[in-house]
Amino acid sequence: KAGVTQTPRYLIKTRGQQVTLSCSPISGHRSVSWYQQTPGQGLQFLFEYFSETQRNKGNFPGRFSGRQFSNSRSEMNVSTLELGDSALYLCASSTSGRETQYFGPGTRLTVL
Amino acid sequence: AQRVTQPEKLLSVFKGAPVELKCNYSYSGSPELFWYVQYSRQRLQLLLRHISRESIKGFTADLNKGETSFHLKKPFAQEEDSAMYYCALQAGGYQKVTFGTGTKLQVIP
Repeated sequence: KAGVTQTPRYLIKTRGQQVTLSCSPISGHRSVSWYQQTPGQGLQFLFEYFSETQRNKGNFPGRFSGRQFSNSRSEMNVSTLELGDSALYLCASSTSGRETQYFGPGTRLTVL
Repeated sequence: AQRVTQPEKLLSVFKGAPVELKCNYSYSGSPELFWYVQYSRQRLQLLLRHISRESIKGFTADLNKGETSFHLKKPFAQEEDSAMYYCALQAGGYQKVTFGTGTKLQVIP
């Protein structure tokens, strides 16, 4: 099976812009979770989608949003970018949300 | 709310020495606990989960509900064990997975 893929791998944006990141889960996986990874904070949970519905949400401002499509692919959007949004954004998929999560390679976002 | 604490940011051990990576959690129910590992330039991947009670690459972890701990252990460290290790907790049902801040294990040859 192909692994979790994320596009793009690298992004450079300026403050105030918005960005959309994409995640394609492993075939058959219906749960997709997003995390923000930074050196000081580790992995922080953003949200989880299952069958096109947001099932769990972390403690991030409303500028962070996401969605999931009928083929389980997911996107996350960050509006009005701030310098502090610079991070590695990881997505992970699992069959239903209670099993092992399989991680993608991440999208490295740099905000200037 | 659940919380996972990994008190050590960096743990350095000599090759052949025992390793113990600490993980403490706060959750009142019966959690599902995991250890994930990230080797250099590789993806984050599952190392082991407590429910399976497996030993992976010589690592074991025992859930101690009394001390709310899930420490990762290996009797003899190898250089290839050098990596970033994350402890994670999932509460009941389909709750979110909470990760600790990670411990970097450095095995000195």
